[in-house]
Amino acid sequence: ETGVTQTPRHLVMGMTNKKSLKCEQHLGHNAMYWYKQSAKKPLELMFVYNFKEQTENNSVPSRFSPECPNSSHLFLHLHTLQPEDSALYLCASSQSGGRTDTQYFGPGTRLTVL
Amino acid sequence: KQEVTQIPAALSVPEGENLVLNCSFTDSAIYNLQWFRQDPGKGLTSLLLIQSSQREQTSGRLNASLDKSSGRSTLYIAASQPGDSATYLCAVPTSGTYKYIFGTGTRLKVLA
Repeated sequence: ETGVTQTPRHLVMGMTNKKSLKCEQHLGHNAMYWYKQSAKKPLELMFVYNFKEQTENNSVPSRFSPECPNSSHLFLHLHTLQPEDSALYLCASSQSGGRTDTQYFGPGTRLTVL
Repeated sequence: KQEVTQIPAALSVPEGENLVLNCSFTDSAIYNLQWFRQDPGKGLTSLLLIQSSQREQTSGRLNASLDKSSGRSTLYIAASQPGDSATYLCAVPTSGTYKYIFGTGTRLKVLA
C-alpha cells in the first residue's frame, strides 16, 4: 500500500466502549498528526508526533489517548466518548513536522458515538 | 490568533466556467499557505503550497495566488469540469509552529 492508510473507515461505538483508530504511513515520514473534522467546523489539530515524540496536544480531552510506537504507525485510543465526539478523524504525515512541509492525509475514520 | 475564512461556503457552476475561490487570514506573518481538496467522506489531497516568498503557484488548470499584506489567497480553476466537484480547503501554519489552521472550505459543484 502507498500513502497514508487508516482503519477502520467507519466505526460506531457506545459511550462506554473502548476502541482504537489506526493510522499507517508508507512514505518514510517522521511526523504524524491526528485531526478532527466535525460538521460545519474547520479541521482541528489534535496531536502531533515528531520522531515518535508527542510535540503537540491541542487541549484534547483525556478520553482521547494517542500512541505512536514508531514513525510509521499512529493510534488513537478512545474510551467513554460523548456523542459530540462523532466526527471524521483524519491522520496525516509529513517529512519532518516543519512549517514548510506538505502534509499527506489518510482517508479518515468516520466515527459515530451513540 | 490566526483565523481563516473561506468565501463562498458553496458554489455551483456549469461545466467549462472559470472560477475563483477565496481564502482570507487574519495574521499575515505566515510561512506558507496550502490549498487542499477533499472529496466526500475522504481525506484531504494537497493541491498547491505557496511559500511566503512566492506570489503564485500553478498546477495544470489550477493557479493559486498569495497576497500576504492583505491576508488573502485565491484559487483559480480554469475550464471547470464535473470531476472538480469537491470541497476546497485552505490552511496556514500558525506563527512559529507547524500547527495548521484550516478554513471551513468551499463546497464546489460543477454541473455537466
